[in-house]
Amino acid sequence: DTGVSQDPRHKITKRGQNVTFRCDPISEHNRLYWYRQTLGQGPEFLTYFQNEAQLEKSRLLSDRFSAERPKGSFSTLEIQRTEQGDSAMYLCASSPGDYRSNEQFFGPGTRLTVL
Amino acid sequence: AQKVTQAQTEISVVEKEDVTLDCVYETRDTTYYLFWYKQPPSGELVFLIRRNSFDEQNEISGRYSWNFQKSTSSFNFTITASQVVDSAVYFCALSEREGNNRLAFGKGNQVVVIP
Repeated sequence: DTGVSQDPRHKITKRGQNVTFRCDPISEHNRLYWYRQTLGQGPEFLTYFQNEAQLEKSRLLSDRFSAERPKGSFSTLEIQRTEQGDSAMYLCASSPGDYRSNEQFFGPGTRLTVL
Repeated sequence: AQKVTQAQTEISVVEKEDVTLDCVYETRDTTYYLFWYKQPPSGELVFLIRRNSFDEQNEISGRYSWNFQKSTSSFNFTITASQVVDSAVYFCALSEREGNNRLAFGKGNQVVVIP
């Protein structure tokens, strides 16, 4: 399967713990996005990478959040000192970066539950 | 700032009926893209259709059709002859060329197709 993959699919953690999620985009897609979706809402943009460069971060991305894409391939999203308000679905998407075909392809998401 | 509004309602239809979902958007960019995504109970966002701001031609793709009107900033979506498998949450989304193509989503429409 050559779609976007995310790991883990589910994560339950206690408040205050750190968690890290991984996203593997479609190969050769140079654009990678992270979104967060809470229950009953649409996804909200968190951050964007073009190759290994993080070019944009949303105000939603507090100092406890950090994302990397070290080699321009997979990406990780880390949340430090988790809070109950961090409970959400974290979605990763990739795009070829060509404005003529700029649709984003989403992974299955990582559902985080903070107890 | 980009903004997408969907009247967040649950829409129930009997199988084989048509269902139309409304979407209104706001953007200051002159080049932008509009999308519809489907999110079935499994949670994964599935790309359905895309429209460019410079192409107002309305099209039909299988049982999906859309009505894009720049004059009213609307991008409505219709499922013809609905099927039970169409039961899902449908999101309208907007990306701006000047905004790294990040997606701004509406709150979604829950569609329930009753057999």
